[in-house]
Amino acid sequence: GAVVSQHPSRVICKSGTSVKIECRSLDFQATTMFWYRQFPKQSLMLMATSNEGSKATYEQGVEKDKFLINHASLTLSTLTVTSAHPEDSSFYICSARDQGRGKETQYFGPGTRLLVL
Amino acid sequence: LAKTTQPISMDSYEGQEVNITCSHNNIATNDYITWYQQFPSQGPRFIIQGYKTKVTNEVASLFIPADRKSSTLSLPRVSLSDTAVYYCLVGDGLYSGGGADGLTFGKGTHLIIQP
Repeated sequence: GAVVSQHPSRVICKSGTSVKIECRSLDFQATTMFWYRQFPKQSLMLMATSNEGSKATYEQGVEKDKFLINHASLTLSTLTVTSAHPEDSSFYICSARDQGRGKETQYFGPGTRLLVL
Repeated sequence: LAKTTQPISMDSYEGQEVNITCSHNNIATNDYITWYQQFPSQGPRFIIQGYKTKVTNEVASLFIPADRKSSTLSLPRVSLSDTAVYYCLVGDGLYSGGGADGLTFGKGTHLIIQP
């Protein structure tokens, strides 16, 4: 299947700093990528939809000024957590839609563990 | 997106066949059914996807009755490494189980395999 990577895999930062997470589709192009957040023992929650060449669309309750999304190319989307606080500590996971070969499936990255001190 | 209902947890033993059933009573005509597996601290992994009847791949089978209001993921001869959370998702659009939208995850089924 298609491969999606994330970088970094884990990051620890001080409160008030910003953290950038990269999501890459390695062997396919993705006009749409998605960002999810998962707290311990909970399910994944969709945060936003990242669209190549246009603004991201955010789910209700997700602050667009705090979680900046840039989909600069067909293989890269970045999520920047600005002025991070301890409550932003979570597991962030991206996914990308493989629209090639006449089939459309979402493939997930390995996730990024963020710990804000 | 159609809501899904799965058992919160299941237990089984190595070598057994495990069947996890998902209810999706308000599934729409265009909806596909997709199952994902997630290990702790990892992203979900696509397992199988189907629309009706039976689909089989190298890791699992998916059984969908004619009314499509439920589906059953079948894992043959499970091993300890199959211990994970399994998510059933149903969505509109094309094959993704979500179409143009992001996926809505339910609570999933925590499958525990014992020796």
